[in-house]
Amino acid sequence: QVQLVQSGAEVKKPGASVKVSCKASGYTFTSHFIHWVRQAPGQGLEWMAMINPSGGNTNYAQKFQGRVTMTTDASTSTVYMELSSLRSEDTAVYFCARGDYDFWSGSHWVNPPAFVYWGQGTLVTVSS
Amino acid sequence: QSVLTQPPSVSGAPGQRLTISCTGSSSNIGAGYDVHWYQQVPGTAPKLLIFGNTNRPSGVPDRFSGSKSGTSASLAITGLQSEDEADYYCQSYDSSLSGSVFGGGTKLTVL
Repeated sequence: QVQLVQSGAEVKKPGASVKVSCKASGYTFTSHFIHWVRQAPGQGLEWMAMINPSGGNTNYAQKFQGRVTMTTDASTSTVYMELSSLRSEDTAVYFCARGDYDFWSGSHWVNPPAFVYWGQGTLVTVSS
Repeated sequence: QSVLTQPPSVSGAPGQRLTISCTGSSSNIGAGYDVHWYQQVPGTAPKLLIFGNTNRPSGVPDRFSGSKSGTSASLAITGLQSEDEADYYCQSYDSSLSGSVFGGGTKLTVL
């Protein structure tokens, strides 16, 4: 069965960086994009970034460009999301999710992804 | 301020029918991009309820249905049950932002 297992909770100081992992299993790693979605305490869902594990192409939300980096390790079927220059507003639960029912033209979505499979979430707390 | 606008809260009695709206613009829903819907119980990951505007993944009860028209989409829930109490989010793609976007979420309360 498809599983996305994330790394554990992190506590970081303002200005630091955090790197969260998402290990995929139960399917061919390169067959689906992986996305990151975050949720601040008591707030809604916010899409951050995506990566195509087949080739490593990425797309980042404008809000996070320059601060977020997604990478993959195909040997372990793991996706990483690193967020730098952390501030208190980055305190949130970070989810990885697999894109499904989608079609990517190479430059934009023809059918945007739906997220069937989610990781369990990783709480990142930014505090001095 | 979310790109997709949802009512902050809705409520209904058990057995009733209610709808949750999701209003976008010409760069997202109005451009023809699919809308997906999620249910989230606090403290857990979201669960996909509807994909591609109207389709239910296997295992989702047929009490849940989706529709889309123009720059808006709606999620309808019939035969409301206490277990439906959760937060609901719509999601689509925005060509101006070049990324996926979510609605602000709607808290459903079963009276």
